[in-house]
Amino acid sequence: DVKVTQSSRYLVKRTGEKVFLECVQDMDHENMFWYRQDPGLGLRLIYFSYDVKMKEKGDIPEGYSVSREKKERFSLILESASTNQTSMYLCASRMYGGGSPLHFGNGTRLTVT
Amino acid sequence: DAKTTQPTSMDCAEGRAANLPCNHSTISGNEYVYWYRQIHSQGPQYIIHGLKNNETNEMASLIITEDRKSSTLILPHATLRDTAVYYCIVRSYGGATNKLIFGTGTLLAVQP
Repeated sequence: DVKVTQSSRYLVKRTGEKVFLECVQDMDHENMFWYRQDPGLGLRLIYFSYDVKMKEKGDIPEGYSVSREKKERFSLILESASTNQTSMYLCASRMYGGGSPLHFGNGTRLTVT
Repeated sequence: DAKTTQPTSMDCAEGRAANLPCNHSTISGNEYVYWYRQIHSQGPQYIIHGLKNNETNEMASLIITEDRKSSTLILPHATLRDTAVYYCIVRSYGGATNKLIFGTGTLLAVQP
């Protein structure tokens, strides 16, 4: 079974703090993704990575950055957290090509106060 | 990517088969049909996907009509733990990797 593990289920941070969200997958998948999910807005893609050290902006990258130094790990960084970044953050991974599906982690619910 | 239409909600009795329909009448030849579900406060869980042929795995079966304009997800023996929102998504494997659009889905309520 594919396992995508996010380091925290719940996180509370203060405005202006730098926040790191970590994601690890154990299936040697090339592609990894960060989404956020908000009521009424569905899943929105923040950043994705085709492979190690590669990254591409998604639909809403402002205020975020990412790091992929190792194949199994994809980190999302909130440079200076703001209250509008309060959300559920979802990491996903997939094997490259052939219609292979995304596999999601259980999410990190981040609250910025 | 093609849009999908699903009923907003469905009920199913525990132990019975749950049949969840999805309409994707504008699907094109290289688009797969994917099914995910999401239980409250958890990440979406992949269930099954297919291109043309019917598919079965340990969780469910996927029936795709011959014209590919609609599909049905079948949970053969629904349990209370199958209560979730089920999403049907179509996506081309050659398309941009960010084009995975979750619609509103179907809330399946399994009744004891």
